[in-house]
Amino acid sequence: SQQGEEDPQALSIQEGENATMNCSYKTSINNLQWYRQNSGRGLVHLILIRSNEREKHSGRLRVTLDTSKKSSSLLITASRAADTASYFCATDYAGGTSYGKLTFGQGTILTVHP
Amino acid sequence: EAGVAQSPRYKIIEKRQSVAFWCNPISGHATLYWYQQILGQGPKLLIQFQNNGVVDDSQLPKDRFSAERLKGVDSTLKIQPAKLEDSAVYLCASSANADQPQHFGDGTRLSIL
Repeated sequence: SQQGEEDPQALSIQEGENATMNCSYKTSINNLQWYRQNSGRGLVHLILIRSNEREKHSGRLRVTLDTSKKSSSLLITASRAADTASYFCATDYAGGTSYGKLTFGQGTILTVHP
Repeated sequence: EAGVAQSPRYKIIEKRQSVAFWCNPISGHATLYWYQQILGQGPKLLIQFQNNGVVDDSQLPKDRFSAERLKGVDSTLKIQPAKLEDSAVYLCASSANADQPQHFGDGTRLSIL
């Protein structure tokens, strides 16, 4: 399976601290995406990073991709209570016949305490 | 821009009954996806449509699950007959094209008694 694996499974921090989540995968990818899911809601897209990119930023989010190690990290700086959610990485497998077939990991549950 | 709409939000049925879910994607989005998310896990892709054609349904249990996307817009996912292990949240997503970010609806939470 080319499923991504997130680490840690759960992360608890104080407001203002940084949160780092890691994702490892097994096969070559077209791109890797990070999504957030609040309890009882659908997933919200955060960042898409393509296989030829090494780093992307969006506001307080920073994503890195190391294709040689088949790993990615998501950094949330200056976290807020509103960042409390589950975070998933998803890989678009390069060996498939088409784009878009995402394989999601189990997710990291982030809790930010006020 | 209106988001992905799904209905119903909740559904409770008994095993061996049938159930159907409906999805209306973001206007103009060519690609539509159905996912199954079991509690505590990440979503698992069931089927991917490009316009009204099926791109991938390799993980769809075809003996009981079916899906269609009429006229390349709305989509329905049906389970017949339901099993206890089908208890999950069924998420619909759409994207402008297959290599673009996916936009998710809030899902239908299905409970099988």
